Amino acid sequence: ELKVEQNPLFLSMQEGKNYTIYCNYSTTSDRLYWYRQDPGKSLESLFVLLSNGAVKQEGRLMASLDTKARLSTLHITAAVHDLSATYFCAVDKQAGTALIFGKGTTLSVSS
Amino acid sequence: EPEVTQTPSHQVTQMGQEVILRCVPISNHLYFYWYRQILGQKVEFLVSFYNNEISEKSEIFDDQFSVERPDGSNFTLKIRSTKLEDSAMYFCARGGRSYEQYFGPGTRLTVT
Repeated sequence: ELKVEQNPLFLSMQEGKNYTIYCNYSTTSDRLYWYRQDPGKSLESLFVLLSNGAVKQEGRLMASLDTKARLSTLHITAAVHDLSATYFCAVDKQAGTALIFGKGTTLSVSS
Repeated sequence: EPEVTQTPSHQVTQMGQEVILRCVPISNHLYFYWYRQILGQKVEFLVSFYNNEISEKSEIFDDQFSVERPDGSNFTLKIRSTKLEDSAMYFCARGGRSYEQYFGPGTRLTVT
């Protein structure tokens, strides 16, 4: 059974500081997806990581994938309030199949 | 602009009643998915649809659930006899070029 674990599940961040959240998964996969969810809203696709060593950056967020370690990280640089949301990572067993999600990491940014 | 639209946005129903949730793709795609998210919990896969057929389903997708594409465009998720534990957000998603999935706005189902 494919399992996806995220940590931490909650992260209280101070504005301007850097943080990292982690996503581990239990089976081999070359694809990992990061989504953002605001309260009461749908899931917004942030990053698609399709190979070992893949790195993607968008603004203050940078995601990377190590398929050998079965680990992805989402790094936040100089946190700002707008980044407050829940972030999910997800993995599929094969391309186009079901996404298996982690429990999500809820970020809260305070000044 | 949403990749798919879903109706209704909120559905309240009594336990034991049947509900039909609808997903309308904006453009023509082959891969579609249904997921649910119980309040405050993780997103769970229900079923996937490829080329108008069920391609994969989870353990959650038991006999009380069914999916159809009745008119060749809209997708429907039917829950035959709702239970309290079916209360959740139900998301439809479509597949993208890099196999990522784009989620619709969701339908909040409340079973009383």
